[in-house]
Amino acid sequence: QKEVEQNSGPLSVPEGAIASLNCTYSDRVSQSFFWYRQYSGKSPELIMSIYSNGDKEDGRFTAQLNKASQYVSLLIRDSQPSDSATYLCAVKGVTGGGNKLTFGTGTQLKVEL
Amino acid sequence: NAGVMQNPRHLVRRRGQEARLRCSPMKGHSHVYWYRQLPEEGLKFMVYLQKENIIDESGMPKERFSAEFPKEGPSILRIQQVVRGDSAAYFCASSPGTKWNEQFFGPGTRLTVL
Repeated sequence: QKEVEQNSGPLSVPEGAIASLNCTYSDRVSQSFFWYRQYSGKSPELIMSIYSNGDKEDGRFTAQLNKASQYVSLLIRDSQPSDSATYLCAVKGVTGGGNKLTFGTGTQLKVEL
Repeated sequence: NAGVMQNPRHLVRRRGQEARLRCSPMKGHSHVYWYRQLPEEGLKFMVYLQKENIIDESGMPKERFSAEFPKEGPSILRIQQVVRGDSAAYFCASSPGTKWNEQFFGPGTRLTVL
């Protein structure tokens, strides 16, 4: 079982729709969760962090965390073509100083006109 | 520009040569991380450093790879005797050392081994 799992996609949504990206993780003691966006050939850009169960909203983005189900998701409202990118879920572990990020392989999102 | 800086952005080496990748963290950040992204693969943790200390090197290959973050100057990831399989994007990230430690990435160094 992979430590952090994401559906690789591509996930295609029409412009203006809600894009829903999902991630599961295996380490029950993980405390910190992050979503990064990566455009092709570029570096990862942090877009959301979440530490507590529930929802966290920032503009068009909402992160949702359910520690009991070991599940974290990202919703993008009013999707725009500029949102087309790969979205990486990252989980911070507790060993080795507690700062190592383990990434999923990413979900490719395509927002179509 | 207060972002994470990496240089060079592109590096070409022949097999057997040495590669040195540099990373300057964001202003105010004291924690540095190196990650590698192989073609068509995910980001993999390599090493976590604070000034003059390696905190976690669990992701570093046992041979040829080393990292340092001296008291003065940038963090350096050093790859000796490079092989074609080392060709990848190497990203540096930094964090402020506060409780939640969000990591911000630099633009990366694309290493090509001929």
